[in-house]
Amino acid sequence: KAGVTQTPRYLIKTRGQQVTLSCSPISGHRSVSWYQQTPGQGLQFLFEYFSETQRNKGNFPGRFSGRQFSNSRSEMNVSTLELGDSALYLCASSVLTGGEETQYFGPGTRLLVL
Amino acid sequence: AQKITQTQPGMFVQEKEAVTLDCTYDTSDPSYGLFWYKQPSSGEMIFLIYQGSYDQQNATEGRYSLNFQKARKSANLVISASQLGDSAMYFCAMREQSGTYKYIFGTGTRLKVLA
Repeated sequence: KAGVTQTPRYLIKTRGQQVTLSCSPISGHRSVSWYQQTPGQGLQFLFEYFSETQRNKGNFPGRFSGRQFSNSRSEMNVSTLELGDSALYLCASSVLTGGEETQYFGPGTRLLVL
Repeated sequence: AQKITQTQPGMFVQEKEAVTLDCTYDTSDPSYGLFWYKQPSSGEMIFLIYQGSYDQQNATEGRYSLNFQKARKSANLVISASQLGDSAMYFCAMREQSGTYKYIFGTGTRLKVLA
């Protein structure tokens, strides 16, 4: 099976712009989660989508939004970019099997905001 | 509230030796899962091993084993016969199996394997 894919892998934007990141989960996985990773804050949970519905949400401002499509692919959008949004954005998909739900991560999108 | 603590920011180990990475957790949920992930410099988080709260035996996956001590709320990762390719950041994570089902991650331990 193909793993989780994320596009683009690298992105440079300027303050005030918006950005959309894409994540394709492992085939058959219906849950997609997004994380922001920075050296200072570590790995922080953004949100999780399951069957096109947001199931969980972290403590991020409303500039961060996401959605999931019927094929389980997910997009994350950040509007009005700030310098502090520079980070590695990781997407993970998971499936519940036998009571265990394990997340498998994509390679991430490195976003640099100038 | 859920919490994961990794107290070792960095560790060194000699090639071919075993190393233990510490992880303690806090939760009031009786049902939870514990995970370890490896993150090389490339950035991708690689799933290593899982332990369920009701599992009686410690999980093992190849050279990785999880030393699960439920009463102490610890879930240490043991890597046997370290290899140079094991140099990476290692994250401990927990997911409660009720309530929010959120994953939370520790701050990570950077492991350097020396030749």
